[in-house]
Amino acid sequence: AQKVTQAQTEISVVEKEDVTLDCVYETRDTTYYLFWYKQPPSGELVFLIRRNSFDEQNEISGRYSWNFQKSTSSFNFTITASQVVDSAVYFCALSEALGFNKFYFGSGTKLNVKP
Amino acid sequence: DVKVTQSSRYLVKRTGEKVFLECVQDMDHENMFWYRQDPGLGLRLIYFSYDVKMKEKGDIPEGYSVSREKKERFSLILESASTNQTSMYLCASDPGRMLNYGYTFGSGTRLTVV
Repeated sequence: AQKVTQAQTEISVVEKEDVTLDCVYETRDTTYYLFWYKQPPSGELVFLIRRNSFDEQNEISGRYSWNFQKSTSSFNFTITASQVVDSAVYFCALSEALGFNKFYFGSGTKLNVKP
Repeated sequence: DVKVTQSSRYLVKRTGEKVFLECVQDMDHENMFWYRQDPGLGLRLIYFSYDVKMKEKGDIPEGYSVSREKKERFSLILESASTNQTSMYLCASDPGRMLNYGYTFGSGTRLTVV
Protein backbone atom coordinates (compact mmCIF):
# COMPACT_ATOMS: atom_id res chain seq x y z
CA ALA A 1 0.00 0.00 0.00
CA GLN A 2 1.08 3.54 -0.65
CA LYS A 3 1.80 5.72 2.33
CA VAL A 4 3.48 9.04 3.03
CA THR A 5 4.62 10.07 6.49
CA GLN A 6 5.45 13.59 7.55
CA ALA A 7 6.40 13.15 11.17
CA GLN A 8 6.79 16.86 11.91
CA THR A 9 3.36 18.29 12.62
CA GLU A 10 4.51 21.85 13.19
CA ILE A 11 7.86 23.65 13.10
CA SER A 12 8.64 27.17 14.24
CA VAL A 13 11.78 29.01 13.20
CA VAL A 14 13.05 32.54 13.23
CA GLU A 15 13.55 34.33 9.94
CA LYS A 16 16.84 33.51 8.18
CA GLU A 17 17.15 30.12 9.83
CA ASP A 18 17.42 27.04 7.63
CA VAL A 19 14.71 24.43 8.05
CA THR A 20 14.25 20.89 6.74
CA LEU A 21 10.87 19.23 6.31
CA ASP A 22 10.98 15.45 6.38
CA CYS A 23 9.05 13.08 4.15
CA VAL A 24 9.18 9.30 4.21
CA TYR A 25 7.17 7.19 1.81
CA GLU A 26 6.20 3.56 1.27
CA THR A 27 5.38 1.94 -2.04
CA ARG A 28 5.81 -1.38 -3.79
CA ASP A 29 5.93 0.27 -7.19
CA THR A 30 9.29 0.62 -8.90
CA THR A 31 8.12 3.62 -10.87
CA TYR A 32 6.41 6.47 -9.07
CA TYR A 33 6.43 10.22 -8.61
CA LEU A 34 7.04 12.36 -5.56
CA PHE A 35 5.77 15.88 -5.09
CA TRP A 36 5.88 18.76 -2.67
CA TYR A 37 3.03 21.26 -2.41
CA LYS A 38 2.75 24.46 -0.41
CA GLN A 39 -0.57 25.58 1.10
CA PRO A 40 -0.46 29.21 2.22
CA PRO A 41 -3.20 30.62 4.47
CA SER A 42 -5.28 31.39 1.38
CA GLY A 43 -5.88 27.64 1.04
CA GLU A 44 -4.88 26.82 -2.52
CA LEU A 45 -2.19 24.16 -2.86
CA VAL A 46 0.74 25.34 -4.94
CA PHE A 47 2.99 22.92 -6.80
CA LEU A 48 6.67 23.12 -5.80
CA ILE A 49 8.44 20.13 -7.30
CA ARG A 50 7.95 16.78 -9.02
CA ARG A 51 10.50 14.00 -8.99
CA ASN A 52 10.28 10.61 -10.66
CA SER A 53 11.66 7.52 -8.99
CA PHE A 54 14.51 7.10 -11.45
CA ASP A 55 15.94 10.52 -10.85
CA GLU A 56 17.78 10.71 -7.54
CA GLN A 57 19.59 13.90 -8.27
CA ASN A 58 19.08 16.58 -5.69
CA GLU A 59 17.48 19.75 -6.89
CA ILE A 60 17.94 23.36 -5.93
CA SER A 61 15.62 26.19 -6.81
CA GLY A 62 16.61 29.46 -5.21
CA ARG A 63 16.30 29.02 -1.45
CA TYR A 64 14.57 25.65 -1.87
CA SER A 65 16.33 22.32 -2.20
CA TRP A 66 15.18 18.73 -2.21
CA ASN A 67 17.03 15.60 -1.21
CA PHE A 68 15.69 12.36 -2.66
CA GLN A 69 17.16 9.15 -1.24
CA LYS A 70 15.64 5.96 -2.54
CA SER A 71 17.66 3.85 -0.10
CA THR A 72 15.85 5.40 2.85
CA SER A 73 12.59 6.15 0.97
CA SER A 74 12.88 9.80 1.85
CA PHE A 75 12.26 13.02 -0.03
CA ASN A 76 13.21 15.88 2.27
CA PHE A 77 12.73 19.56 1.60
CA THR A 78 15.06 22.29 2.88
CA ILE A 79 14.40 26.00 2.93
CA THR A 80 17.55 28.08 3.31
CA ALA A 81 17.40 31.48 4.98
CA SER A 82 13.67 31.18 5.69
CA GLN A 83 11.37 34.16 5.27
CA VAL A 84 8.02 35.04 6.79
CA VAL A 85 6.38 34.39 3.40
CA ASP A 86 7.45 30.75 3.70
CA SER A 87 4.92 30.28 6.50
CA ALA A 88 2.48 27.68 5.21
CA VAL A 89 1.51 24.04 5.42
CA TYR A 90 3.71 21.85 3.25
CA PHE A 91 2.53 18.54 1.88
CA CYS A 92 4.60 15.72 0.49
CA ALA A 93 2.78 13.37 -1.90
CA LEU A 94 3.38 10.11 -3.71
CA SER A 95 1.71 9.34 -7.01
CA GLU A 96 1.44 6.19 -9.06
CA ALA A 97 3.14 6.23 -12.44
CA LEU A 98 0.61 4.00 -14.13
CA GLY A 99 -3.11 4.42 -13.86
CA PHE A 100 -5.13 7.45 -12.96
CA ASN A 101 -2.48 9.52 -11.20
CA LYS A 102 -3.93 9.05 -7.75
CA PHE A 103 -2.02 10.95 -5.11
CA TYR A 104 -1.27 9.86 -1.57
CA PHE A 105 -0.60 12.80 0.68
CA GLY A 106 1.22 13.06 3.96
CA SER A 107 -0.52 14.78 6.85
CA GLY A 108 1.39 18.00 6.23
CA THR A 109 3.91 20.06 8.18
CA LYS A 110 2.92 23.52 9.32
CA LEU A 111 5.88 25.89 9.13
CA ASN A 112 5.81 29.09 11.15
CA VAL A 113 8.53 31.59 10.30
CA LYS A 114 8.72 34.40 12.83
CA PRO A 115 10.28 37.78 12.10
CA ASP B 1 -3.26 30.83 -16.73
CA VAL B 2 -4.77 27.44 -16.02
CA LYS B 3 -7.57 27.38 -13.56
CA VAL B 4 -9.59 25.13 -11.34
CA THR B 5 -12.53 27.01 -9.89
CA GLN B 6 -14.63 25.92 -6.97
CA SER B 7 -17.96 27.66 -6.81
CA SER B 8 -18.03 28.45 -3.11
CA ARG B 9 -15.27 29.42 -0.71
CA TYR B 10 -17.36 28.99 2.43
CA LEU B 11 -20.59 27.08 2.89
CA VAL B 12 -22.81 26.43 5.91
CA LYS B 13 -25.46 23.73 5.63
CA ARG B 14 -27.85 21.98 7.97
CA THR B 15 -27.71 18.31 8.91
CA GLY B 16 -29.69 16.23 6.44
CA GLU B 17 -29.48 18.70 3.57
CA LYS B 18 -28.31 17.60 0.13
CA VAL B 19 -25.19 19.58 -0.70
CA PHE B 20 -23.59 20.19 -4.09
CA LEU B 21 -19.98 21.29 -4.42
CA GLU B 22 -19.04 22.37 -7.91
CA CYS B 23 -15.67 22.35 -9.62
CA VAL B 24 -14.82 23.61 -13.09
CA GLN B 25 -11.51 23.44 -14.94
CA ASP B 26 -10.60 25.20 -18.15
CA MET B 27 -7.59 23.12 -19.19
CA ASP B 28 -9.29 20.26 -21.04
CA HIS B 29 -7.97 17.88 -18.39
CA GLU B 30 -9.05 14.24 -18.42
CA ASN B 31 -8.77 13.53 -14.71
CA MET B 32 -10.56 15.31 -11.89
CA PHE B 33 -10.43 14.58 -8.19
CA TRP B 34 -12.19 15.46 -4.96
CA TYR B 35 -10.23 15.41 -1.71
CA ARG B 36 -11.15 16.39 1.79
CA GLN B 37 -8.59 17.93 4.10
CA ASP B 38 -8.73 17.51 7.87
CA PRO B 39 -6.14 18.53 10.47
CA GLY B 40 -3.66 15.78 11.14
CA LEU B 41 -5.00 13.62 8.33
CA GLY B 42 -3.75 15.44 5.27
CA LEU B 43 -5.75 15.10 2.09
CA ARG B 44 -7.88 12.03 1.53
CA LEU B 45 -9.33 11.04 -1.82
CA ILE B 46 -13.11 10.84 -1.97
CA TYR B 47 -13.78 10.19 -5.66
CA PHE B 48 -12.13 10.77 -8.98
CA SER B 49 -13.15 10.77 -12.61
CA TYR B 50 -11.03 9.94 -15.63
CA ASP B 51 -13.58 10.80 -18.31
CA VAL B 52 -17.07 12.13 -18.78
CA LYS B 53 -19.56 9.96 -16.90
CA MET B 54 -16.73 7.78 -15.57
CA LYS B 55 -15.99 7.74 -11.85
CA GLU B 56 -14.05 5.71 -9.34
CA LYS B 57 -14.27 5.56 -5.57
CA GLY B 58 -11.35 6.86 -3.61
CA ASP B 59 -10.43 5.99 -0.05
CA ILE B 60 -13.40 7.57 1.75
CA PRO B 61 -16.45 7.58 -0.59
CA GLU B 62 -19.10 6.82 2.03
CA GLY B 63 -21.74 9.50 2.23
CA TYR B 64 -20.68 11.09 -1.06
CA SER B 65 -21.46 10.75 -4.73
CA VAL B 66 -20.16 12.56 -7.81
CA SER B 67 -21.30 13.62 -11.22
CA ARG B 68 -19.36 14.40 -14.36
CA GLU B 69 -21.70 15.18 -17.22
CA LYS B 70 -19.26 17.49 -19.00
CA LYS B 71 -15.50 17.24 -19.20
CA GLU B 72 -14.87 20.54 -17.48
CA ARG B 73 -17.21 20.09 -14.53
CA PHE B 74 -16.98 17.65 -11.62
CA SER B 75 -19.55 17.86 -8.85
CA LEU B 76 -19.36 16.38 -5.37
CA ILE B 77 -22.69 15.57 -3.75
CA LEU B 78 -23.32 15.03 -0.07
CA GLU B 79 -26.54 13.04 -0.14
CA SER B 80 -27.52 13.87 3.44
CA ALA B 81 -25.02 16.14 5.12
CA SER B 82 -23.78 15.18 8.57
CA THR B 83 -21.62 17.06 11.05
CA ASN B 84 -18.70 14.70 10.45
CA GLN B 85 -18.58 15.99 6.89
CA THR B 86 -17.54 19.41 8.13
CA SER B 87 -14.22 19.84 6.36
CA MET B 88 -12.21 21.60 3.68
CA TYR B 89 -12.95 20.15 0.24
CA LEU B 90 -10.39 20.46 -2.50
CA CYS B 91 -10.92 19.80 -6.18
CA ALA B 92 -7.99 19.03 -8.47
CA SER B 93 -7.40 18.11 -12.07
CA ASP B 94 -4.59 16.80 -14.22
CA PRO B 95 -4.16 16.15 -17.93
CA GLY B 96 -4.34 12.34 -17.72
CA ARG B 97 -3.26 10.64 -20.96
CA MET B 98 -0.42 8.97 -19.04
CA LEU B 99 0.99 12.36 -18.11
CA ASN B 100 1.72 13.03 -14.46
CA TYR B 101 3.01 16.51 -13.89
CA GLY B 102 1.03 17.07 -10.75
CA TYR B 103 -2.37 18.38 -9.96
CA THR B 104 -3.77 21.83 -10.36
CA PHE B 105 -5.88 22.58 -7.31
CA GLY B 106 -8.83 24.80 -6.72
CA SER B 107 -8.81 27.15 -3.75
CA GLY B 108 -11.06 24.91 -1.68
CA THR B 109 -14.52 25.01 -0.16
CA ARG B 110 -14.75 25.12 3.60
CA LEU B 111 -18.01 23.37 4.48
CA THR B 112 -19.58 23.56 7.90
CA VAL B 113 -22.52 21.29 8.66
CA VAL B 114 -24.56 22.38 11.67
